[in-house]
Parts: sequence; structure tokens; C-alpha cells
Amino acid sequence: GQQLNQSPQSMFIQEGEDVSMNCTSSSIFNTWLWYKQDPGEGPVLLIALYKAGELTSNGRLTAQFGITRKDSFLNISASIPSDVGIYFCVQNTGNQFYFGTGTSLTVIP
Amino acid sequence: NAGVTQTPKFQVLKTGQSMTLQCAQDMNHNSMYWYRQDPGMGLRLIYYSASEGTTDKGEVPNGYNVSRLNKREFSLRLESAAPSQTSVYFCASSSGSWSYNEQFFGPGTRLTVL
Repeated sequence: GQQLNQSPQSMFIQEGEDVSMNCTSSSIFNTWLWYKQDPGEGPVLLIALYKAGELTSNGRLTAQFGITRKDSFLNISASIPSDVGIYFCVQNTGNQFYFGTGTSLTVIP
Repeated sequence: NAGVTQTPKFQVLKTGQSMTLQCAQDMNHNSMYWYRQDPGMGLRLIYYSASEGTTDKGEVPNGYNVSRLNKREFSLRLESAAPSQTSVYFCASSSGSWSYNEQFFGPGTRLTVL
């Protein structure tokens, strides 16, 4: 089946630092999505990418859809305590959604 | 506009008991999904319903059944619960569009099977 490798598995950073995480896939899909899951909550969509090479920002977040369509990265600039959570990359085509294993982010004040 | 709602929020079952997890959405979405999330893992798809009247198996369907009662509601049933089904269950919905298909998630149901 579809394999999504997400790295790193976990990150511990100081408040104010920048964060970078990425995902690689064994298959090509139409869409890359990045979700954040706060403790005890369901995932919430952060950024959606629909074209190879697309670079999209949402506030302090920036994500890119790799040219090969098999990878994507998410950057968070100037981290703050509320950035704590688990970040998931997701590949999507139609009704098929495949989740990465997640990157757990801890921000130390 | 409540989005996606799930009941119950917490449940403890004994091995062999049955129960139904309820999910409803008020966004007029065509597609609905059930996932489970185990510690340290991403979400794994159990079943989905692309549209009212249809259901399909996902990655881990064994031990579960689903019903798409109408466009709003999608329930997940455990006929004979097993400890391996201890997990957090999330329901999600999406428009089902091929070009723009954001998923919206409910708050989850935390299930423990003893």
C-alpha cells in the first residue's frame, strides 16, 4: 500500500526558532495536505497544495509540493508555544487520504 | 454550524460487547470517513462513504461495520469488541470533489476495551 515517510518523528525546539519537517512518498498523488493535531483534538487542515512546485504560505507556515510530486515540506517560522502538537502530511486523490506517521513538536518557552 | 460531531466522547467496553459510534456533519458534504488513531501512529482509514448509499473498506476494516444513514450521518459499529480495538476513533467529512477535497474532523471518541 501507500507509504508516507515523515521526518523527523519528534522535535524539541526553543521558542522563536524555525522548524522544518518533510514527507516523502512511494507514489504520486494529486494533492499534499498538512494537518495539525492539538492534544485531545481532531486534526485541522493547515495548508493544501495542488500543483507540483507550488509554494504556499499561511501566516508563519510555508509548505511546498515537490517537483517530483513525491515529497513535500512544511516550515514554521518563529515558533511560539501554541505551535505544540502533532503535524501530519497527507496525500489525497479523490476519496483516498493517506496519513504520514506524524511529527511531534514541542516548543520550550 | 457545528461541523463534525461525534458521540460518545469516551467509552469503556468489556471484550465481546457491542456498540455504535455516531457521527454527523452539517456541511452538506458528500463523503464521510472513519479513522482510528493508535499511540505514535497516524490515522488509519477503517471505512469511508463516498456518497449517500455507498460504503467502502479502508485500510483496517476487520471487526467493524458502517452505515451511511443519510447524507448527514455515518455510524461505526463494533459487533464484538476486542482489546485490539482500544483506540481513538475519528470521523471526518469532505466535499468529495476531485479538485478540492479538504477533510474536516470531529473531536474523536476514546474507546477502551477491557
